[in-house]
Amino acid sequence: GIQVEQSPPDLILQEGANSTLRCNFSDSVNNLQWFHQNPWGQLINLFYIPSGTKQNGRLSATTVATERYSLLYISSSQTTDSGVYFCAVRESQGGSEKLVFGKGTKLTVNP
Amino acid sequence: GAVVSQHPSRVICKSGTSVKIECRSLDFQATTMFWYRQFPKQSLMLMATSNEGSKATYEQGVEKDKFLINHASLTLSTLTVTSAHPEDSSFYICSARVLPRRGGKNTEAFFGQGTRLTVV
Repeated sequence: GIQVEQSPPDLILQEGANSTLRCNFSDSVNNLQWFHQNPWGQLINLFYIPSGTKQNGRLSATTVATERYSLLYISSSQTTDSGVYFCAVRESQGGSEKLVFGKGTKLTVNP
Repeated sequence: GAVVSQHPSRVICKSGTSVKIECRSLDFQATTMFWYRQFPKQSLMLMATSNEGSKATYEQGVEKDKFLINHASLTLSTLTVTSAHPEDSSFYICSARVLPRRGGKNTEAFFGQGTRLTVV
């Protein structure tokens, strides 16, 4: 099955700093989503981005499907950005509907 | 975005008892829902795909008789953990995908709030 790798596994920032999280995947995909898991476990949808670039406030994401990676940018980070960020993909081949998750990036933003 | 509601958010049960977790799509219909399990500090692992009106599809290594899934309507899927044991303690989370519009293929998945199960 498809492999999803996220980097870095852990990231510590000072408030106000910018960061880039990366998601590499091993095969072609027809869906890619970025999530933020809050301290209560809720997965918050950030981006649905199988290709191209999207922006939402301080966050933006870019997926280059042909090169099998996606990037999540966080600008002017705030303490409330802390949590785990997951990338999840759905394979193009085989007709499977399931999302496969990476192991996540744990972000800590210090005041 | 679409809303998926999961209930209960937290449950504590005794060993040997069964626990039912509900997953509802509130403002859309979902022919397919997904059940994931997450251990502390780990990623989400798919347990099974729940199909409305038919049997669920389980991932390799997931016990069908232990984790019973029912998807009786287009807005409700249930996961029952039968004869629960302490090793079943975990965070369970469901997901549903909005049906694609005419001509569309792939759409965004939304997740419930999750259920933290503790078996004592």
